Amino acid sequence: DSGVTQTPKHLITATGQRVTLRCSPRSGDLSVYWYQQSLDQGLQFLIQYYNGEERAKGNILERFSAQQFPDLHSELNLSSLELGDSALYFCASSLSHGRNTGELFFGEGSRLTVL
Amino acid sequence: GENVEQHPSTLSVQEGDSAVIKCTYSDSASNYFPWYKQELGKRPQLIIDIRSNVGEKKDQRIAVTLNKTAKHFSLHITETQPEDSAVYFCGTGNQFYFGTGTSLTVIP
Repeated sequence: DSGVTQTPKHLITATGQRVTLRCSPRSGDLSVYWYQQSLDQGLQFLIQYYNGEERAKGNILERFSAQQFPDLHSELNLSSLELGDSALYFCASSLSHGRNTGELFFGEGSRLTVL
Repeated sequence: GENVEQHPSTLSVQEGDSAVIKCTYSDSASNYFPWYKQELGKRPQLIIDIRSNVGEKKDQRIAVTLNKTAKHFSLHITETQPEDSAVYFCGTGNQFYFGTGTSLTVIP
């Protein structure tokens, strides 16, 4: 158990819909990362938050948005869903941010299926 | 952003043999180099990491070597076992970008 909690574990929805994925970081970790992993693909970095503030953006679509709340949990919002958005979405947390963060602790992921 | 290249993309070895996976990176300011293992349907988990103040680190059957001058680092797994079968990812520094992954299969 990494200490990072993601909900829901599985989600099936239709094209055009909107979903919210939730992540609670490991106790004491201030930094939250979101990654997308499509079938047989690597980890695509989406966005990072540190202590409530956005720190870095990766290949995140404009239809996607995220935020980190004062209690440090984070939500990833995916809207106007397309078939290609079907993927496993991972949240990870770490104590710090910056160039040399140290170990990332990953959640179990949220598997999104868009039909 | 950082460019991380990982080779090979797939690797099959006989049980008991060694496996080596190599990554190259572009950001010379990176000082942290982790390796994650992802079993099928599971989350990535750190198996070993190295910081730039050392050239090699070993933990039982796994080791990582770093060549900062050439900007590459490698994962070495000795005496491979079937439970080593997984996808391995390398990362650097801020871990925004990972290698594309190596699918390792250990044949009993």
